Amino acid sequence: SYVLTQPPSVSVAPGQTAKITCGGNNIGSKSVHWCQQRPGQAPVLVVYDDSDRPSGIPERFSGSNSGNTATLTINRVEAGDEADYYCHVWDTTSDHPTWVFGGGTKLTVL
Amino acid sequence: EVQLVESGGGLVQPGGSLRLSCAASGFIFNTQSMNWVRQAPGKGLEWVSFISSTDSVIYYANSVKGRFTISRDRAKNSLYLQMNSLRVDDTAIYYCAREGSGTYYNVIDYWGQGTLVTVSS
Repeated sequence: SYVLTQPPSVSVAPGQTAKITCGGNNIGSKSVHWCQQRPGQAPVLVVYDDSDRPSGIPERFSGSNSGNTATLTINRVEAGDEADYYCHVWDTTSDHPTWVFGGGTKLTVL
Repeated sequence: EVQLVESGGGLVQPGGSLRLSCAASGFIFNTQSMNWVRQAPGKGLEWVSFISSTDSVIYYANSVKGRFTISRDRAKNSLYLQMNSLRVDDTAIYYCAREGSGTYYNVIDYWGQGTLVTVSS
C-alpha cells in the first residue's frame, strides 16, 4: 500500500515561514491535498491539487509537489496556525483505490 | 452553507454493532461522493470507506472490510455506516467527509464534526 511520510512536528516563530513536507514514492505524479486540524476541531481543507487554495484560505498558505516530496508552506505564521496538518492523496496503485493520509505534522508556533 | 452532522456514536462492547448517520444539507447530496474517515484518540486520520455519487462504486479499508457497510438514503439526505463485529481498535472519532465536484472533484472539501465510538468492555 502507498505510504505518505510527514515529520511529527515543526516549530516556527511568529512571522516566520513554516514548511511541512510529505514524502511518498513518485508523489509528484499524484494530486496532493492538505488539511488543517486545530485541537478539538474537524479538519479543514487548506490546499488541494498540490497548490490550489479553497476560497477563504489566506494566501499565506501554498503548496508544491515534485519528485518524491510535496510541501505545504505557510508564510508569516500566526498563532492561529498552530494545528495538525495532514497531507493526503487518492491512491489508485493498490488492489482498489483508497484515500491515504500522512501521519500528520504538529505545527507549534513558538 | 454545507453542513455534515454525524450521530449514532457511543459506547459498545467488543463484538457489538453500531450504526452511524451523517445528515447532509446545503448542497445536492445525490451528486456527491462521500467518505467516512476516523481518528483514534491522539492519532492521525485513517480513511474507512467511500461511496460514489451514484452508489455504484464502494470501497473499504482493509481494516474494516467485511465488518462495515456504507450506504446512503437519498430521500433523507443521509449517509450511514453500519459497523458490526466491533473491536477495541475501532475506537475513534468517525468523520463524514464530502468529495466536491467541478474544481473540487476527487477532493475531500468538507468534513463533519465527528461522532465518537468507544469499543470497550
